[in-house]
Amino acid sequence: AQSVAQPEDQVNVAEGNPLTVKCTYSVSGNPYLFWYVQYPNRGLQFLLKYITGDNLVKGSYGFEAEFNKSQTSFHLKKPSALVSDSALYFCAVRDKSGGSYIPTFGRGTSLIVHP
Amino acid sequence: NAGVTQTPKFQVLKTGQSMTLQCAQDMNHEYMSWYRQDPGMGLRLIHYSVGAGITDQGEVPNGYNVSRSTTEDFPLRLLSAAPSQTSVYFCASSTGQSHNGYTFGSGTRLTVV
Repeated sequence: AQSVAQPEDQVNVAEGNPLTVKCTYSVSGNPYLFWYVQYPNRGLQFLLKYITGDNLVKGSYGFEAEFNKSQTSFHLKKPSALVSDSALYFCAVRDKSGGSYIPTFGRGTSLIVHP
Repeated sequence: NAGVTQTPKFQVLKTGQSMTLQCAQDMNHEYMSWYRQDPGMGLRLIHYSVGAGITDQGEVPNGYNVSRSTTEDFPLRLLSAAPSQTSVYFCASSTGQSHNGYTFGSGTRLTVV
């Protein structure tokens, strides 16, 4: 079985400050990990993914995420937040060992960046 | 390149009515899925398909049917609409390798009264 948890419903940060959106996962084997962003009244957009290799993954719009196998985490980060980063962020996991090949999504974290 | 196209964007149904949400992709993706999004619940998988002619149930399949007669199309049918099916529905697709990210449609907002 695979699952993902996003422990914060909402994250508030001031513009210009660094931001972190947390994600932890559970899989039987090794994970594929993803982050998506959803702007109001839009579908989800792919941000970045971890497949293998370097634990620090860089993605779109200046976002990055750090894979930590020992802590089973994949936190999303950005060094300097923008008001335009305000959106709903989803973490997703898929077990590399196969199964349905369909990822499981977290419940989402609302990021609010204050001017 | 249109990506994933969902129609309609908005729909209001009366309890007991049936309807089909359409989803089409032009990327030759093998995998297609339907999710519903409800406040505080995140995305919940309804049904998915790993190729034409192959479908399977997700986390919340009751009250919904799907079929996959072609690679491009993956319609979702509501058999007898209930107020509990009021939600935003998203269709998504990906390549067979599936460690690529999903491409999502823009969603259908359904209200059942």
